[in-house]
Formats: sequence, structure tokens, C-alpha cells
Amino acid sequence: EIVLTQSPGTLSLSPGESATLSCRASQSVSSSYLAWYQQKPGQAPRLLIYGASSRATGIPDRFSGSGSGTDFTLTISRLEPEDFALYYCQQYGSSPLTFGGGTKVEIK
Amino acid sequence: QVQLQESGPGLVKPSETLSLSCTVSGGSLNSYYWSWIRQPAGKRLEWIGRVYTSGSTNYNPSLKSRVTMSVDTSKKQFSLKLNSVTAADTAVYYCVRDGLDAFDIWGQGTVVTVSS
Repeated sequence: EIVLTQSPGTLSLSPGESATLSCRASQSVSSSYLAWYQQKPGQAPRLLIYGASSRATGIPDRFSGSGSGTDFTLTISRLEPEDFALYYCQQYGSSPLTFGGGTKVEIK
Repeated sequence: QVQLQESGPGLVKPSETLSLSCTVSGGSLNSYYWSWIRQPAGKRLEWIGRVYTSGSTNYNPSLKSRVTMSVDTSKKQFSLKLNSVTAADTAVYYCVRDGLDAFDIWGQGTVVTVSS
């Protein structure tokens, strides 16, 4: 099973700043089958990024993903008020599909 | 616009079977896998397994001995059964469209509590 470790656990930032979230896999994620999701309280997760760097439909271009192998990054440039939420990475290259523990982006 | 809606009991007794269904509206079940994912309070998301429209399945090994998934294309529904439940199975359960490149459409989630 591929274990995903996200860091930091919490990121305290102000609107307008940039956020850099890390996701490290315990073994290589095949074909960059790595996705990122945003979750707000009481809501289901929403797909942001798939294939490590492709934005899902309707996702603003301030969200970008990068990385390969075992190290992946989600960058949110110019944080908007609605971006303060919990973010999860997920790998779907190897069964069982697994999620990271999440990074909370909170308002400073 | 495809939408998913979970349904089923919100309270299940220990040792009994948790049964949930997911109804798909606004689109076809064909050409996708359909997954179940759960999230215990304050914990990370856990993939339970997936079912294809042909009926083929793929389960998380950690739950495989207790899980059964099925699909009914005529009703545009897919289902989850988890037997011998304990308090550790208390969670929000999501049904999700699985495009094999990501989980792109999620139901709103349903809370299932295991308690006597």
C-alpha cells in the first residue's frame, strides 16, 4: 500500500499570499496518477488536479500541481477567501487507492 | 450534469450489515467505475472499493472480507454492503464517480453511525 504524507499539517496565510502544499509517497506513484482535492466543512471533497498537473473542469488557474515519482506539490497563488479549506492528495496508480492525511490552509 | 445521491440507514447496530445505495442522475453509468469512500470524523479519507458497470469489483484489502458492491444499470444505482460492522465503521460514506484518473464527481455523503 502506498502511504501518502502531506506537509505541513496546517498552513496559516493571508489572502493574496501563495500556498505551497507537499505530498510525499512511500513509493513511486505510477504514471503520475496523483490527484488533489479541496474539502470545506460539511461538504464532499472537490477534485482540483488530476494526473499530477491537469486542472479539473472549472478550477481556476491559480491552482497548479507539479511533481512526479514520490514528490508532488499543489500551489495556490494569490489565495482567495474561498480557498481556505482542507486539501488532500490521493494516488490512483496502485490498489488500494489511498489518500494523504490532509493540509489545512487557514486564515492568518 | 451528473449527480450522485446516497441513501440508506443512518444507524446500524454492531455486528449487523451496513447497506447503502447510490442513485446516479443526469448521466449514464456506462464507461465508469463507481467507488465508495468513507471518512471517519477527524480522519483521512478511506477508499472502500469500486464496481464497474459489468459488475466487476476491486476492494480495499483491509475491508475485502466484509464488503460487497453491486450495480443495477436499469435503476441507475450502485450499492455497498459492509457486514459485521463495529464502531470503527462509523463514518461519512460517499459514493463517487471513478474515472480511473480521479474521483471527479462526489455525492453529498451520508452519515452512518454504528451503535446499539
